[in-house]
Amino acid sequence: SQQGEEDPQALSIQEGENATMNCSYKTSINNLQWYRQNSGRGLVHLILIRSNEREKHSGRLRVTLDTSKKSSSLLITASRAADTASYFCATVNWGAGSYQLTFGKGTKLSVIP
Amino acid sequence: DAGITQSPRHKVTETGTPVTLRCHQTENHRYMYWYRQDPGHGLRLIHYSYGVKDTDKGEVSDGYSVSRSKTEDFLLTLESATSSQTSVYFCAIGGGETQYFGPGTRLLVL
Repeated sequence: SQQGEEDPQALSIQEGENATMNCSYKTSINNLQWYRQNSGRGLVHLILIRSNEREKHSGRLRVTLDTSKKSSSLLITASRAADTASYFCATVNWGAGSYQLTFGKGTKLSVIP
Repeated sequence: DAGITQSPRHKVTETGTPVTLRCHQTENHRYMYWYRQDPGHGLRLIHYSYGVKDTDKGEVSDGYSVSRSKTEDFLLTLESATSSQTSVYFCAIGGGETQYFGPGTRLLVL
């Protein structure tokens, strides 16, 4: 079952604008992560936010987490053409001997030069 | 791609044929995972391993088996491939909460 659901499914912006993607999930989590996937490539880890954190920054990335609403957002500031990719949220729980990541279906971001 | 290789990178096979995909890591991570990625479904976990010879099923394990005889290799086998197993398969490794993904294998079952 899909835990995270990203919104919107697709987003097109001009270079220099900010891009915001949202993720909603259904059950309690240990932490939530965001990954990026360039076309034809594997996923790359961007940022992790723990369930007791509300906001986290990494370079041009800002992630928020609202556990009461079971939602997270990823903000990319001053976007660049190289940010064009699909972005996935993944909820993380420990179970059955391993950390279990459950991915959403992703948001496809297009940054127009 | 963080010391992870997958082979083959592309494969075309026929229905009913056995297929084995290989994931190889040089990072000595304990955990290894196999996912499939399909349009409209995102990534779904097939099987994972938490140590040599220790494996368990994921969300979509039917029709797949895995083996891990040494730390660096995790094999995914489709015993008798079906067209519904046409997909992109990703291997991932992790020492903790974060996972690192391989480049993927595109499998087409005709």
